[in-house]
Amino acid sequence: AQSVTQLGSHVSVSEGALVLLRCNYSSSVPPYLFWYVQYPNQGLQLLLKYTSAATLVKGINGFEAEFKKSETSFHLTKPSAHMSDAAEYFCAVIDGGSNYKLTFGKGTLLTVNP
Amino acid sequence: DAGVIQSPRHEVTEMGQEVTLRCKPISGHDYLFWYRQTMMRGLELLIYFNNNVPIDDSGMPEDRFSAKMPNASFSTLKIQPSEPRDSAVYFCASSLVDREAFFGQGTRLTVV
Repeated sequence: AQSVTQLGSHVSVSEGALVLLRCNYSSSVPPYLFWYVQYPNQGLQLLLKYTSAATLVKGINGFEAEFKKSETSFHLTKPSAHMSDAAEYFCAVIDGGSNYKLTFGKGTLLTVNP
Repeated sequence: DAGVIQSPRHEVTEMGQEVTLRCKPISGHDYLFWYRQTMMRGLELLIYFNNNVPIDDSGMPEDRFSAKMPNASFSTLKIQPSEPRDSAVYFCASSLVDREAFFGQGTRLTVV
């Protein structure tokens, strides 16, 4: 069965610092992996996705994530945080094959301090 | 495209009343999903459709919940009767076969 664990429900960084949000997944088949961002009172917006092509995936707003099969990880990074990055971030997985069910992690709230 | 459109954005209702949430997916998308978000349980998939046909409703909490998709441009999620524990944000999303889901703004439901 597919599942996602996000380490750290709250991460706080200074503006300009590295952002690292951790995600580990469990999947019985090669997975599809996603990162979504949610701003207050908004829906979820796709940041990036992994679909078995390049293991380093670049997304919007300067974010990227690296798929590491040996570690079953898909951590999200950004070299330099902006105030506008403050939001909640969700990692999600879909088992490959014919499955379309997104399973989400519990989310990580990112705070950016000036 | 205007994206996934949900209505209403906010709904306050009394316990026991029927509630209907509405969703218009992105034109051309084959898949439609209903999710529920709560502090306690996070984001949960309730049901999803492919070409207007329900594929997996294993996440629907109980018989009080029902969802329909009468055509490719409209879906409803109905709760009858509503209970306070149904209070949550309900999201509709749609996607193509590439599994890249686009979410609506959500409906915040409060049952008092």
